Amino acid sequence: AQKITQTQPGMFVQEKEAVTLDCTYDTSDPSYGLFWYKQPSSGEMIFLIYQGSYDQQNATEGRYSLNFQKARKSANLVISASQLGDSAMYFCAMRDPWGGSEKLVFGKGTKLTVNP
Amino acid sequence: DSGVTQTPKHLITATGQRVTLRCSPRSGDLSVYWYQQSLDQGLQFLIQYYNGEERAKGNILERFSAQQFPDLHSELNLSSLELGDSALYFCASSPPTGSYGYTFGSGTRLTVV
Repeated sequence: AQKITQTQPGMFVQEKEAVTLDCTYDTSDPSYGLFWYKQPSSGEMIFLIYQGSYDQQNATEGRYSLNFQKARKSANLVISASQLGDSAMYFCAMRDPWGGSEKLVFGKGTKLTVNP
Repeated sequence: DSGVTQTPKHLITATGQRVTLRCSPRSGDLSVYWYQQSLDQGLQFLIQYYNGEERAKGNILERFSAQQFPDLHSELNLSSLELGDSALYFCASSPPTGSYGYTFGSGTRLTVV
């Protein structure tokens, strides 16, 4: 079964600096998808970025980029030029196709605090 | 607005009661997923429906049930509620191609007192 591990319960970063949030995954499927979501204190889940297992290049979306290292089974999120509004919980997730489903399996999350 | 509508946003109820959470998926999406987010368990997958049929089941208690109607909206029924059922319940939808188009609703915060 798919498993996502986020080892950093909390991270702190200074405004305007870059920060990397770690995510490792475990799967025996050759085809998989990795996602990052942001959950601010208001509670909604906001999609940030997606990486497919066959994608040749690392995904980027504005200030978000995904450092995808397939051999190491890691998919770290890099946020450049942090802003105060980036303070939130961040979840790494993987699509689990087992049994014909396409459900997402989530890690436990990392709480990011951006300091002024 | 994400396109996925969940109602109600907040719900406070007593132990032993039954509640129904409602989800309307994004237009064109056939799959609906239900997740429970609690402080100690994180985000747990409960159940998935695809075009009206149950597709996958996760850590869903027997006291909980769900269905998806012909208009594709879904309802999650929680009965014999316990204090430990207090959580944020999310609905998400995805399109038929199963690409990366998961969209989450804003959630229903359930408090059992």
